[in-house]
Amino acid sequence: SYELTQPPSVSVSPGQTARITCSGDALPKKYAFWYQQKSGQAPVLVIYEDTNRPSGIPERFSGSSSGTMATLTISGAQVEDEADYYCYSTDISGNYRVFGGGTKLTVL
Amino acid sequence: EVSLVESGGGLVQRGGSLRLSCAASGFTFRNYWMSWVRQAPGKGLEWVAQIGPDGIERYSVDSVTGRFTISRDNARTSLYLQVSSLRAEDTALYYCARDLKRVGATTGSAWWYFDLWGRGTLVTVSS
Repeated sequence: SYELTQPPSVSVSPGQTARITCSGDALPKKYAFWYQQKSGQAPVLVIYEDTNRPSGIPERFSGSSSGTMATLTISGAQVEDEADYYCYSTDISGNYRVFGGGTKLTVL
Repeated sequence: EVSLVESGGGLVQRGGSLRLSCAASGFTFRNYWMSWVRQAPGKGLEWVAQIGPDGIERYSVDSVTGRFTISRDNARTSLYLQVSSLRAEDTALYYCARDLKRVGATTGSAWWYFDLWGRGTLVTVSS
């Protein structure tokens, strides 16, 4: 099996920068993806292939990856960004498709 | 507008079966890989099963292999998940997701990610 590790929670004040990390042994070779899930809603893709932002996602969302860690950065976090964030990737073979355990972002 | 709408969930006894459905619209369904992803109450996301555009290639997580069957009907633009021999740990919200395939230009290797999700259908397994 394969695991991606995220911190359970991150808390920032409005306007501050939030950083959520995701660590996995295969991340040097495999892309990371990030999903936002607000309470009671379906997940939404916010970053794909480490650094790309889908259309309609605010510019304050950005992604990076270095070594075994991928990072989702929300620059100038807003109250409406409060949500659970999940990273997603695969193991080196591509056979195990896994999500991280999720990080609850609090903006207050 | 592109959308995925799941249905078919419900309360079922341990060992029972259900057929989950997902109606797709707004995109050329037959061209896409599709997946089911589930989320147990208060827990994280777990990929369950994937199917190729023509329904031939199918993959699933080990914990459901032999119990769950993914299928599709491209004429009806619908995705299905037959869930059987249900266990308490199968209790979850089951999401239908479009599974976008990408291929590396230089390596030729492929990867997939979920770019569109439905709102989910809840399966509750009682003991």
